[in-house]
Amino acid sequence: GQQLNQSPQSMFIQEGEDVSMNCTSSSIFNTWLWYKQDPGEGPVLLIALYKAGELTSNGRLTAQFGITRKDSFLNISASIPSDVGIYFCAGQPRNAGNNRKLIWGLGTSLAVNP
Amino acid sequence: DVKVTQSSRYLVKRTGEKVFLECVQDMDHENMFWYRQDPGLGLRLIYFSYDVKMKEKGDIPEGYSVSREKKERFSLILESASTNQTSMYLCASVLGGYGTEAFFGQGTRLTVV
Repeated sequence: GQQLNQSPQSMFIQEGEDVSMNCTSSSIFNTWLWYKQDPGEGPVLLIALYKAGELTSNGRLTAQFGITRKDSFLNISASIPSDVGIYFCAGQPRNAGNNRKLIWGLGTSLAVNP
Repeated sequence: DVKVTQSSRYLVKRTGEKVFLECVQDMDHENMFWYRQDPGLGLRLIYFSYDVKMKEKGDIPEGYSVSREKKERFSLILESASTNQTSMYLCASVLGGYGTEAFFGQGTRLTVV
């Protein structure tokens, strides 16, 4: 099936550093979603984006819906140890119609050194 | 808050057994999904349902079937479990209409021996 290109695949950073990750698609998307998954748990929704250019924050997390509608970015500021986990992007293509099936990236694994 | 509950956190089954994974959501969502997650492969869609008794194949439906007799419950069935079905299984629900946000259960770690 279709997949989003998510990068980087993994990151190992020092506590306090800022983090950036992104997702790109070859087609236009109507919705971009960012999730975090803790080990052994299901993904939890962090931020939802619905309009091109939209910039939305959730605490130390900020995500943007790219102007071209083919990409999205997630930034984490001043990382802390509990930020460890896998971050996934997901989106709904413009041509999805009433189909609520999401397209997923492969995830960015984040490790934070205290 | 939306709650999606999967019946088991961990399961160990024998090869050839019929396995049922149950998922219940409490927010009257129309759409429900079953994914499997394996290291390096992300989330792969097995089946989804957009209404009671309606189902559609996802990207990897082989070896699986589903049942949705009530709106709140979506079951994944492994007709004859095999070792290559050892995986983390995730259930999700989505409201419908203009809603696209998926809410996940806690996952079921299935081991087939």
